[in-house]
Amino acid sequence: DQQVKQNSPSLSVQEGRISILNCDYTNSMFDYFLWYKKYPAEGPTFLISISSIKDKNEDGRFTVFLNKSAKHLSLHIVPSQPGDSAVYFCAASAGTDKLIFGTGTRLQVFP
Amino acid sequence: DTEVTQTPKHLVMGMTNKKSLKCEQHMGHRAMYWYKQKAKKPPELMFVYSYEKLSINESVPSRFSPECPNSSLLNLHLHALQPEDSALYLCASSPPRKTGRDTEAFFGQGTRLTVV
Repeated sequence: DQQVKQNSPSLSVQEGRISILNCDYTNSMFDYFLWYKKYPAEGPTFLISISSIKDKNEDGRFTVFLNKSAKHLSLHIVPSQPGDSAVYFCAASAGTDKLIFGTGTRLQVFP
Repeated sequence: DTEVTQTPKHLVMGMTNKKSLKCEQHMGHRAMYWYKQKAKKPPELMFVYSYEKLSINESVPSRFSPECPNSSLLNLHLHALQPEDSALYLCASSPPRKTGRDTEAFFGQGTRLTVV
């Protein structure tokens, strides 16, 4: 049972445009959400997080939106850059140290 | 020092070998984790040590044995592994609870393990 889902396995975006990565979850007990970026053969790199008491968090080019009623979060990257090309994982926690990761979305930013 | 360092980066071991993976962080983080990641799959939690005590064991087979000698070090001892245990093993750590960011896990580069 996949509690955190990223239904788009891949996304292709032109440089300078907005990238929108989506994530859905089923467990209403999740209260903290994170996005990670991963290059091949490397560990995930933390990007941005959001607590369930907020609906938006922004850090530079990255903004995460949380819609608790829809159990949906999204990561917006504006403007997209070729260096953003990687696999993006969303992750969720239900007040414990256990992070549940989504299946990942491969983002490709082309010139 | 803002890194989680894992050694070795690559490891090939036979099914009868005993080896250890090592992880180190000097950020004063209160929790350390082992995750396993298979190709094209998300990372899966194996163990969590919080304040040097094992707090989560995700029903991992006993051929994987974690050890936390102190707050900066985390080991994963491997014995009698199977070829299906071949994967990327990731170590992570999280800041203290007082920071309000204690759920954020910061990962090392991983150890690529191949069991032959």
